[in-house]
Amino acid sequence: NAGVTQTPKFRILKIGQSMTLQCTQDMNHNYMYWYRQDPGMGLKLIYYSVGAGITDKGEVPNGYNVSRSTTEDFPLRLELAAPSQTSVYFCASSYSDRGNYEQFFGPGTRLTVL
Amino acid sequence: EDKVVQSPLSLVVHEGDTVTLNCSYEVTNFRSLLWYKQEKKAPTFLFMLTSSGIEKKSGRLSSILDKKELFSILNITATQTGDSAIYLCADSGGSNYKLTFGKGTLLTVNP
Repeated sequence: NAGVTQTPKFRILKIGQSMTLQCTQDMNHNYMYWYRQDPGMGLKLIYYSVGAGITDKGEVPNGYNVSRSTTEDFPLRLELAAPSQTSVYFCASSYSDRGNYEQFFGPGTRLTVL
Repeated sequence: EDKVVQSPLSLVVHEGDTVTLNCSYEVTNFRSLLWYKQEKKAPTFLFMLTSSGIEKKSGRLSSILDKKELFSILNITATQTGDSAIYLCADSGGSNYKLTFGKGTLLTVNP
């Protein structure tokens, strides 16, 4: 199993550009999450999904959109990129059942907005 | 809103030292507390603690939870340079299996 994969690994955007960060998991996990990590700030939840077709906002959703058309894929869309979105983005998944809270993380995407 | 506070935020030790990392939480509907290790890339899972007073151990790492005082500690004995990383704790008090992370402790182990 590849686990959770993310593309691209790095990206530089200009202010106002848009892009999609891809996330795929092959573990048949029902729950998927997007986090951003700024230096010294831990992980902040952007959006999450409890299954195909169901998404909900996390702590910091402004400026982002998501969709979940399949169990495996959970892309994160940035519209009109701003310097404040410069961060490292992690996708995670879990098979959340019977009190199992462990989340598995992808390798991350480092995004710089100039 | 849940709040997870880790201390210290950074720590520098020498190889062979023992370190204790702290995590306190404020949650109205606590379920579990998790510890992760993050080196240069993705966080990797260490422990999940649900019951108070029961130590979880993996090699030189161990962790325990105190649900009465709302904190957890992560101990690392005989530290090695490979233990250098950010250690994150998270609580799962939110709905839909969401985790709330602390800011992390940056541990640097010097040879």
